[in-house]
Order: sequence, then C-alpha cells, then structure tokens
Amino acid sequence: KQEVTQIPAALSVPEGENLVLNCSFTDSAIYNLQWFRQDPGKGLTSLLLIQSSQREQTSGRLNASLDKSSGRSTLYIAASQPGDSATYLCAVKGGSEKLVFGKGTKLTVNP
Amino acid sequence: DGGITQSPKYLFRKEGQNVTLSCEQNLNHDAMYWYRQDPGQGLRLIYYSQIVNDFQKGDIAEGYSVSREKKESFPLTVTSAQKNPTAFYLCASESGRRSNQPQHFGDGTRLSIL
Repeated sequence: KQEVTQIPAALSVPEGENLVLNCSFTDSAIYNLQWFRQDPGKGLTSLLLIQSSQREQTSGRLNASLDKSSGRSTLYIAASQPGDSATYLCAVKGGSEKLVFGKGTKLTVNP
Repeated sequence: DGGITQSPKYLFRKEGQNVTLSCEQNLNHDAMYWYRQDPGQGLRLIYYSQIVNDFQKGDIAEGYSVSREKKESFPLTVTSAQKNPTAFYLCASESGRRSNQPQHFGDGTRLSIL
C-alpha cells in the first residue's frame, strides 16, 4: 500500500528565504506526482505535476523534482513571500490510478 | 470561468438525518472524486466515478452514498450510518483517471453535527 510522508509538518521562515519542502513515498511504481497548495478553509490548488518519466517541473518561483528510484520529491520555493504562507500537499498517483496524499507541510513566511 | 462548485459552504446535521453535499463541474471532465479531510490528516478518498452511471468505493465509503446521473454532477449523501461525519469535504475532478493532468478541486463543504 502506497504511503506518502511529508517532512517537516510545519515550517516558519523569514521573507526572502529560499526553502525546500520534502515528500517521500514507499512505492516507486508511480504514474505521476502532484504538488498542491491549500489556503485555510479552502480547496486545493494544483501547483505542479511531474510525470513519472520527468525529473523536474518549474513554474515561476517554484521548482519540483522527482527521484522515483529513491521515492523522493522536493518542492523548492525561491525568494519566499508572505503570500506563500499556506499548507503544501504532495500526492502520488500509482497503479491504482487514485491519488494518495501526504498530510502536508504548513508554511509560514514572516514579513 | 471553468471550475468546480461545491455547496453549501457550511452544513449542519442533526442526529439521524441524511444530508446531501452538492458538487458541479463545467470542465467537461469524465472523472470525479469525493475526499474527506480531518485536522492533521491527509485527504482520504470516499467515492469516485469515471463515467456517468458508474462509481466505485474509495477507502472510507461506509456511511456515505453517491450518484452520477449527469457528467457535470456528483452529489454525496452523508447518511445517519456515518457516526463521525464532522469534517471538511472536498470534491475534485480530472479529465480521466489515466490522464497526466492535475486534479481540480472545489472550495469544500464543512459539515458539523448539531
């Protein structure tokens, strides 16, 4: 059974810092990996999707990497801003074709 | 604007009562999903549907029911058999389960017990 772990559970950084969020998964036979952002009381917003054949994806200040063999992904946020404060969720789609989610990392960027 | 609309935003259930959460999408997506989110937990899959008039149980289907009579709509009923219904419910859709497109989410319904 696929399990997805996100470390740390919470992170607080000063504005302007570059930061990395981590995601690990137990079954490397994945179809894709997705990173989402969730603001308090809201639904999820898709940030990046990495297909199993890809190593990374970039969107603006965000860069996500995927290492299938080691079961790891990282989300890199450059020059963090207070507006980046949110919970970031990682999810993998495997052979069952259903998304399995981690519990998220709550990010606070302090002005 | 294309998207997913969930209603109501807040819902209160009395003991022994069934309640229905609405989910409508205008993205022309085939697949739709219902998730439950509890504090400090990841999203857990309740039910999903790949096509009209077909749906499958997810990991925590007990006490819930769904229908998929139209492509655009996937309502979730929380029955009185669900003894711990207080949670945040999220509806999602994607173009197809085997697609490499991201899932799109609604803004959720928060259900509480009166």
